[in-house]
Amino acid sequence: ETGVTQTPRHLVMGMTNKKSLKCEQHLGHNAMYWYKQSAKKPLELMFVYNFKEQTENNSVPSRFSPECPNSSHLFLHLHTLQPEDSALYLCASSQGADPRTDTQYFGPGTRLTVL
Amino acid sequence: GENVEQHPSTLSVQEGDSAVIKCTYSDSASNYFPWYKQELGKRPQLIIDIRSNVGEKKDQRIAVTLNKTAKHFSLHITETQPEDSAVYFCAALMDSNYQLIWGAGTKLIIKP
Repeated sequence: ETGVTQTPRHLVMGMTNKKSLKCEQHLGHNAMYWYKQSAKKPLELMFVYNFKEQTENNSVPSRFSPECPNSSHLFLHLHTLQPEDSALYLCASSQGADPRTDTQYFGPGTRLTVL
Repeated sequence: GENVEQHPSTLSVQEGDSAVIKCTYSDSASNYFPWYKQELGKRPQLIIDIRSNVGEKKDQRIAVTLNKTAKHFSLHITETQPEDSAVYFCAALMDSNYQLIWGAGTKLIIKP
């Protein structure tokens, strides 16, 4: 399972820190996603990029800042986070952006803890 | 906003028995419904999906049924095995922006 990789796998940060999450896909896909997964809650779609262009931003606070330099890489820059931002952050990619024809493949996630 | 409700949140069944997980969606225009399986410590993976033009789809021991009138769909797993233990997520595709709206997940426990 090396199609979509994420680093780091675990991250502990203080509320004043700045950190970045990295996602890389080796599947030749054109769409990439950031999701937030909290315990016993639905997966929350945060951002969607298609051909490096951001197509969705689901009312995500500005303390989360995505970056997509090319179709294979996606970053999530974090600054002044809150403890409630602690969660598993999942990256996913798909060939195109239509779920009916383009299955989303997930990375292993980054477990983020904000102290 | 649109949402998907998933029940139960936890399901414990005896190995060999069947398991059923149900989801209800709000967007009547939804026409695509995938199911993902997430084993402990692993990533979610698509296991089966169904489109609105069919009422049922099977793949070996798993099947999904769709009732468009009632706006609900279900995952059925027969002859459950230990490797079926996982969290299962349903989702419905929003017709307005092609985004998936996810359920909260069901933790399936297979008792030996």
